[in-house]
Amino acid sequence: AQTVTQSQPEMSVQEAETVTLSCTYDTSESNYYLFWYKQPPSRQMILVIRQEAYKQQNATENRFSVNFQKAAKSFSLKISDSQLGDTAMYFCAVRGATNKLIFGTGTLLAVQP
Amino acid sequence: DGGITQSPKYLFRKEGQNVTLSCEQNLNHDAMYWYRQDPGQGLRLIYYSQIVNDFQKGDIAEGYSVSREKKESFPLTVTSAQKNPTAFYLCASSIPGQEIGRNTEAFFGQGTRLTVV
Repeated sequence: AQTVTQSQPEMSVQEAETVTLSCTYDTSESNYYLFWYKQPPSRQMILVIRQEAYKQQNATENRFSVNFQKAAKSFSLKISDSQLGDTAMYFCAVRGATNKLIFGTGTLLAVQP
Repeated sequence: DGGITQSPKYLFRKEGQNVTLSCEQNLNHDAMYWYRQDPGQGLRLIYYSQIVNDFQKGDIAEGYSVSREKKESFPLTVTSAQKNPTAFYLCASSIPGQEIGRNTEAFFGQGTRLTVV
């Protein structure tokens, strides 16, 4: 079974500051992928960053980076230089070779001016 | 342009009626998914399909049915057995997860808001 836990329902950060969103997961598969998606008020799901579990190097994408701790099954998202446009719901997700894609309950991030 | 299209954007249903939500993709993806989103509950998996003519139940399949007769299409039927169908429904597609090294993220449609009246 696959599960994803996001323990922070809401977070707030000042513009230009750094914020970290937490995610833990569980999966019985040896090969899997981890994702962070963003859902702005439009409700369109947008990929933020992906991490292949077989890669030890943490993924980065411009201002977004992850801290992937495979043994601890932790996959946190760090947003640097937060911008007003980063205000959204953020979802962590895990997908194995069986293609089952499971999401967490989300963290609502508010960037304050 | 390649993408994934859900229709309609808004749908109203009377209690006791079945209704079918459409999902079409032209990305040549094998895997397709249906999710339900309620406030505070994130995205919950209803059904997913890895390939044509095959699909598996997700975590909340009761009261829903799907078919996968074509690679491009994965319609979801909300039956009268679904006790609380009012929700936002999202469809997604992706390449198979076994393809190591390729971009395996899911692409999403814009969703259908279903309301029971």
